Amino acid sequence: DAKTTQPPSMDCAEGRAANLPCNHSTISGNEYVYWYRQIHSQGPQYIIHGLKNNETNEMASLIITEDRKSSTLILPHATLRDTAVYYCIVRAKYSGGGADGLTFGKGTHLIIQP
Amino acid sequence: AAGVIQSPRHLIKEKRETATLKCYPIPRHDTVYWYQQGPGQDPQFLISFYEKMQSDKGSIPDRFSAQQFSDYHSELNMSSLELGDSALYFCASSIGQGPPDTQYFGPGTRLTVL
Repeated sequence: DAKTTQPPSMDCAEGRAANLPCNHSTISGNEYVYWYRQIHSQGPQYIIHGLKNNETNEMASLIITEDRKSSTLILPHATLRDTAVYYCIVRAKYSGGGADGLTFGKGTHLIIQP
Repeated sequence: AAGVIQSPRHLIKEKRETATLKCYPIPRHDTVYWYQQGPGQDPQFLISFYEKMQSDKGSIPDRFSAQQFSDYHSELNMSSLELGDSALYFCASSIGQGPPDTQYFGPGTRLTVL
């Protein structure tokens, strides 16, 4: 799976949009971009994933650049409860072999300020 | 919606003892993953099972073993516990073995080895 690079920390004001960048310049065509977050000591929480197109769900939006070398997770109206470590993970589409575990990098510690 | 259930939530053991952690996946999920998260560390993949067979292996110590039962629940057995085994242990479940699947995590078991 391609490696990802994220800023170690970011601040965002409550009520504003939080934009979390992720660089995955070595991503290949069959690799998905997944985002998870972990609120202190809780189980990681799935947020969203995408392959090529931008995606939106009730939690967030995922914007993937046309060359797929980077992406941005957008939390549209951040609240204090969004303070967490956010992980961007690249995973190859399943094509046989085993059920690969997620490879967590260092992630971005997002702090929502009141 | 039903979530992944892990038991016990907290466990205290002495060095050289044995511990068993249990994981009950989301109904109809056929794949289970185990992760270990040491203090101040990111989660690390240990092992996965698909349809009751070991599917992939990560950095699981030889002292640890796991299995998935006919009802799809899984157990992680840890023997000869060491102080360094103190960690959060997460279980995740999914349908199928890889992307575009989504792994959903349980709340974790906090193991303390004294």
